[in-house]
Amino acid sequence: EVQLVESGGGLVQPGGSLRLSCAASGFTFSSYSMNWVRQAPGKGLEWVSYISSSSSSIYYADSVKGRFTISRDNAKNSLYLQMNSLRDEDTAVYYCARDRGVVVVDAFDIWGQGTMVTVSS
Amino acid sequence: DIQMTQSPSTLSASVGDRVTITCRASQSISSWLAWYQQKPGKTPKLLIYKASSLESGVPSRFSGSGSGTEFTLTISSLQPDDFATYYCQQYNSYSRTFGQGTKVEIK
Repeated sequence: EVQLVESGGGLVQPGGSLRLSCAASGFTFSSYSMNWVRQAPGKGLEWVSYISSSSSSIYYADSVKGRFTISRDNAKNSLYLQMNSLRDEDTAVYYCARDRGVVVVDAFDIWGQGTMVTVSS
Repeated sequence: DIQMTQSPSTLSASVGDRVTITCRASQSISSWLAWYQQKPGKTPKLLIYKASSLESGVPSRFSGSGSGTEFTLTISSLQPDDFATYYCQQYNSYSRTFGQGTKVEIK
């Protein structure tokens, strides 16, 4: 079964750090570009970051640029998001999501179940 | 960044109704548009990619159309399982953006 499972969420104080992980299974992880998408409580979806299959291309939303770092370990079938200098407005469910195509930028066909990050003092 | 605007924000409809949701891009995105369905507390589900291609396993009552800056998602005959929030997303660039969502409610 094709699956993505996030972990690492929790409660953190403003200015703090957190590292999210996403474990992939059931497909050739190293062939696919991956993304992080977040959803604040009661709000819509916001794309956060993209990483290509080989990690050669990385992009961030302006709202997290300079604070968040995306990375992956293809040997461990894992995707990561290091979040530093966290703000109240970073509170959200964080999803990892797979690009459906292996060649070009594409829609997201597989999503994880999400992990909740709460930034609060 | 490319902005995506959906309309309406909320839609009240009955089972069996034909439903249309519109998504507009702030600049041309060719056909690089996807539609997702999300139910409360659940993960988004891909319905349509490349503006009009139906994702595997998605019922044929869902269809998408459009190109350039204007797109539509149509549900030909609304079913009880279709009451949810729908999002469009552009992937013309690496910086993907979503519309604000359209909530389809029971009338």
